[in-house]
Amino acid sequence: DVKVTQSSRYLVKRTGEKVFLECVQDMDHENMFWYRQDPGLGLRLIYFSYDVKMKEKGDIPEGYSVSREKKERFSLILESASTNQTSMYLCASSLPGTGKRTGELFFGEGSRLTVL
Amino acid sequence: GNSVTQMEGPVTLSEEAFLTINCTYTATGYPSLFWYVQYPGEGLQLLLKATKADDKGSNKGFEATYRKETTSFHLEKGSVQVSDSAVYFCALDEPTSYDKVIFGPGTSLSVIP
Repeated sequence: DVKVTQSSRYLVKRTGEKVFLECVQDMDHENMFWYRQDPGLGLRLIYFSYDVKMKEKGDIPEGYSVSREKKERFSLILESASTNQTSMYLCASSLPGTGKRTGELFFGEGSRLTVL
Repeated sequence: GNSVTQMEGPVTLSEEAFLTINCTYTATGYPSLFWYVQYPGEGLQLLLKATKADDKGSNKGFEATYRKETTSFHLEKGSVQVSDSAVYFCALDEPTSYDKVIFGPGTSLSVIP
């Protein structure tokens, strides 16, 4: 069975702290994604990666960075957390490589981050 | 740019009622269309998809037809169950080289016995 695992379900951090959200997939997927989910706004894409060490900005990358050193792991980094980054963060992966699309994303259970 | 609009929720239905959740989209080119579902405490999972005009996607009793002329992809189920209580997201894929998916705001459904 396919599996996307996010390291923390719930985090509470203080303003200005550096925050790491980790995501691991065991399906040998090429693409990985970070979304944030907010009520009334749905899911908004922060960053995605289509290969190891490759990354692309999504629709709302400001205040975030990412790292993909290994194919199975994609990390989201908040360099200096702010209260407006309080949200649910969802990691996803999909199989296809460059030039292919399926739209079939596999999601983790989410990490709910509260910044005080 | 491309976007997805869904009917406002929350939607509350009695068990065995008929369900329709409206979805319309704006897109250039010919996107594929999707419905994802998020059960309480879980991540999203793909419910059904349609890749071209007039295609019908179906799964678990849910159906949606890709209507290019009305740019719509409404979700329907003839008889809902309590276990269908979840948030439903309509989505489309952008015509890029990668699996970039754009989601609607989601519609919360509660089914009461």
